[in-house]
Amino acid sequence: ENVLTQSPGTLSLSPGERATLSCRASQSISNNYLVWYQQKPGQAPRLLIFGASSRATGIPDRFSGSGSGTDFTLTISRLEPEDFAVYYCQQYGSSPTFGGGTKVEIK
Amino acid sequence: QVQLVQSGAEVKRPGAAVKVSCKASGYTFTGYYIHWVRQAPGQGLEWMGWINPNSGGTNIAQKFQGWVTMTRDTSISTAYLELNRLKSDDTAVYYCARDPGVPGRYYFYYWGQGTLVTVSS
Repeated sequence: ENVLTQSPGTLSLSPGERATLSCRASQSISNNYLVWYQQKPGQAPRLLIFGASSRATGIPDRFSGSGSGTDFTLTISRLEPEDFAVYYCQQYGSSPTFGGGTKVEIK
Repeated sequence: QVQLVQSGAEVKRPGAAVKVSCKASGYTFTGYYIHWVRQAPGQGLEWMGWINPNSGGTNIAQKFQGWVTMTRDTSISTAYLELNRLKSDDTAVYYCARDPGVPGRYYFYYWGQGTLVTVSS
């Protein structure tokens, strides 16, 4: 199983600041088969990024993904009030696994 | 538009079984795998497996083999998740989700609203 470790567990920031979230895999992820989701309380996850760096339909360009191999990053360039949520990475090999999540909270 | 609508919340005793449904609309049901993902209260996401609605074939994560069954009824575009021999730590929200229809690309743009299954004596 490819274990994904997200850091930090919680990120306390103010609106307008830049958020940098990390996702590290225990095994190299081939073809950059990594996605990022946003989840708000009581809601299903929302796909943000697929293929490590491609934005899903309708996702604002303040969200960007990067990385390869075992190290991936989600960057939110300027936090809007609606961006405070929990973010998960997921690798989509034959047996998908999720990271434990990073909560982005208002400072 | 693509929609996945799940059945309502359930409360079950330990040892019981539960069947959750996921009704698809807005696309060709047999063209895309349906996956099941669960989330225990306050916890992260856990992939359980997929069903191919066209063939009925399944791929269930090892942790869930032997007590989880995934089926479908193509006549009503509905996928089902059945959990047997429930334990208290199976209390979770169970989501169905659709992948993009490309072999091996198991990520999820479309999700059901989730079904809370509570296991309590």
